[in-house]
Amino acid sequence: SQKIEQNSEALNIQEGKTATLTCNYTNYSPAYLQWYRQDPGRGPVFLLLIRENEKEKRKERLKVTFDTTLKQSLFHITASQPADSATYLCALGGSYIPTFGRGTSLIVHP
Amino acid sequence: ETGVTQTPRHLVMGMTNKKSLKCEQHLGHNAMYWYKQSAKKPLELMFVYSLEERVENNSVPSRFSPECPNSSHLFLHLHTLQPEDSALYLCASSQARARSNEAFFGQGTRLTVV
Repeated sequence: SQKIEQNSEALNIQEGKTATLTCNYTNYSPAYLQWYRQDPGRGPVFLLLIRENEKEKRKERLKVTFDTTLKQSLFHITASQPADSATYLCALGGSYIPTFGRGTSLIVHP
Repeated sequence: ETGVTQTPRHLVMGMTNKKSLKCEQHLGHNAMYWYKQSAKKPLELMFVYSLEERVENNSVPSRFSPECPNSSHLFLHLHTLQPEDSALYLCASSQARARSNEAFFGQGTRLTVV
């Protein structure tokens, strides 16, 4: 069955460093991959989408890579700030309905 | 605000009650979704309504009943729920077949079944 894996342990980093989150998947050939941010008690907010034929996508301090051979996406936040602390979800889709991972919590310490 | 509004934000109900969750989107989207989010678990898709189809997750119990009277409104009717149904229920909308397939989520309804 399809499986999306995100590290269940929280990632703790120091302010100013680059945070790197991982999304791995199996038994899936997605047409696209999305990353969302979710704050406690709130709904997820869309950040970036990358398609299967794209290797890398950037938006301000965010960078996403997509390796369909490794079946992995990396999500980077450069010059991280305490305000970046949240849970980050990856979502994969072949149609318009994405399937979500459980998310990884990022904590940026001042 | 995301343009997707859910009410109520919090709901406590007994196992014999009947209640409904409401979702409204002001984005002109043609697809609306219900997701369930439990602690430490991935978002679980429950139902999807779009212009073309209705999609159901077959593992969702019949005590959850969706209704989509038009493209802007979505309801989730609840009856005889169990304590394990306590979770955050999220509504989302998107433009099906759009280039980004970006989903816009509401703030969610925190449901507690006692």
